[in-house]
Amino acid sequence: GAVVSQHPSRVICKSGTSVKIECRSLDFQATTMFWYRQFPKQSLMLMATSNEGSKATYEQGVEKDKFLINHASLTLSTLTVTSAHPEDSSFYICSAPGQGSSPLHFGNGTRLTVT
Amino acid sequence: DAKTTQPPSMDCAEGRAANLPCNHSTISGNEYVYWYRQIHSQGPQYIIHGLKNNETNEMASLIITEDRKSSTLILPHATLRDTAVYYCIGANYGQNFVFGPGTRLSVLP
Repeated sequence: GAVVSQHPSRVICKSGTSVKIECRSLDFQATTMFWYRQFPKQSLMLMATSNEGSKATYEQGVEKDKFLINHASLTLSTLTVTSAHPEDSSFYICSAPGQGSSPLHFGNGTRLTVT
Repeated sequence: DAKTTQPPSMDCAEGRAANLPCNHSTISGNEYVYWYRQIHSQGPQYIIHGLKNNETNEMASLIITEDRKSSTLILPHATLRDTAVYYCIGANYGQNFVFGPGTRLSVLP
C-alpha cells in the first residue's frame, strides 16, 4: 500500500539552530501534503498545507517565517523549523492523500527536542 | 470537517470485542467516516472508512447508522497490541483531517 516516509524520526538540536524534516511519498505522487504538530497528551493539530509548485497555506497562529515549508517535487515536502526554541519541542507528523479514494497516509512522525 | 464526539477512554478485556462509538451529527452527505489509531510516539494508522454502508476489513468492522449521525468501530477480538488512541474523523477525500481528542482504548489482560 501507499507509504509516507518521514525523516528523521528523532532529532535533538540546540536552541537557535534550524532543523529540516523530510516527508516523502514513496509509491505515489502527492501534490498536497499536510503537516501536523502534536504536543504531549494532546491531539494532532494541523500546522500547514504544503502545495507542490506553490506557497504553503498556514493555519492561524502558525508563523510562516519560522516553519518554512518547501514542496519541491511531487514526492517530497520539507518542513524547516528555523531558530528553534525549547517551546518548539514537539512531535511533527506529515501526511498525504493517496490516489483516488484512498485515505490519508501518515508518516511515522519526527520527535524534535530543542535543548 | 464534521465535528465528532468520542468517549475519552474505554477498557476492554483481551479477546473480547471492543466497540468504540462516535457521534458525528453534523456530517455532510459527501463526507466519509474515517477511523485511525495512534500508538504512542507513532503516526496515525489507518483502520477503516465508510460513507453509509457498513464496512469490514481484516482489522475491524465499521457500523454506520442509517441517518449517518453516529458510527461504531468494532475490533472483534481485541489484543494487547490494540491499546491505542482511536480517532473518528468526518472528511472528504483528499481533505486534511481535524483530529479531536479521540478515545484511549486500554485492552486489559
